[in-house]
Amino acid sequence: IQMTQSPYSLSASVGDRVTITCRASQNINSYLNWYQQKPGKAPKLLIYAASSLQSGVPSRFSGSGSGTDFTLTISSLQPEDFATYYCQQSYIMPRTFGQGTKVEIK
Amino acid sequence: EVQLVESGGGLVKPGGSLRLSCVGSAFTFTNSWMSWVRQAPGKGLEWVGRIKSRTDGGTTDYTAPVKGRFIMSRDDSKNTLYLQMNGLKTEDTAVYYCTTDSPFDRAFDFWGRGTMVTVSS
Repeated sequence: IQMTQSPYSLSASVGDRVTITCRASQNINSYLNWYQQKPGKAPKLLIYAASSLQSGVPSRFSGSGSGTDFTLTISSLQPEDFATYYCQQSYIMPRTFGQGTKVEIK
Repeated sequence: EVQLVESGGGLVKPGGSLRLSCVGSAFTFTNSWMSWVRQAPGKGLEWVGRIKSRTDGGTTDYTAPVKGRFIMSRDDSKNTLYLQMNGLKTEDTAVYYCTTDSPFDRAFDFWGRGTMVTVSS
């Protein structure tokens, strides 16, 4: 299953609402996860099963969608949120990731 | 706090072999499914393979590019996950991350810091 994220990158300011989309090449129900990766660090799980917030993740992060179209929203961007975000499907093997969306400071 | 610590990375020539290890702590390793995920320099994430817990069969799955060359195993007495990499190719150059792979939420919950593997002549 191919996962396609958009945009490839975006520039935003602190306090902005940011939306990243992820599209699957076929129906994956709600088996969609989101990860955040900062430079030189391991990825971190943010959202699992499309909309469930991982323990300890701030509530400004939210996920939605099912089937083939999914969204990650950051309601009010904070300085520590500048990073690359990846979606990943867990519906079927092999597990596949999107190409990533880099969120940069405007 | 859950910890995963990888080791064993390094520089190896094409066609060579390397074995990575990952030691887990602060969680029940025996009951955990585990995966390896890799990231080539400047590139995105690629799932490499998964091993289920022994109680769930201990079976393995791999991504196509590594099937037949890489072997995952585990030693639950040592809380250790292994990745035996044979027939290495330059395109295997990457940081290799060890992750827990929850069968419940079907996500990579926890990640190690990674170990770098460089395949070059």
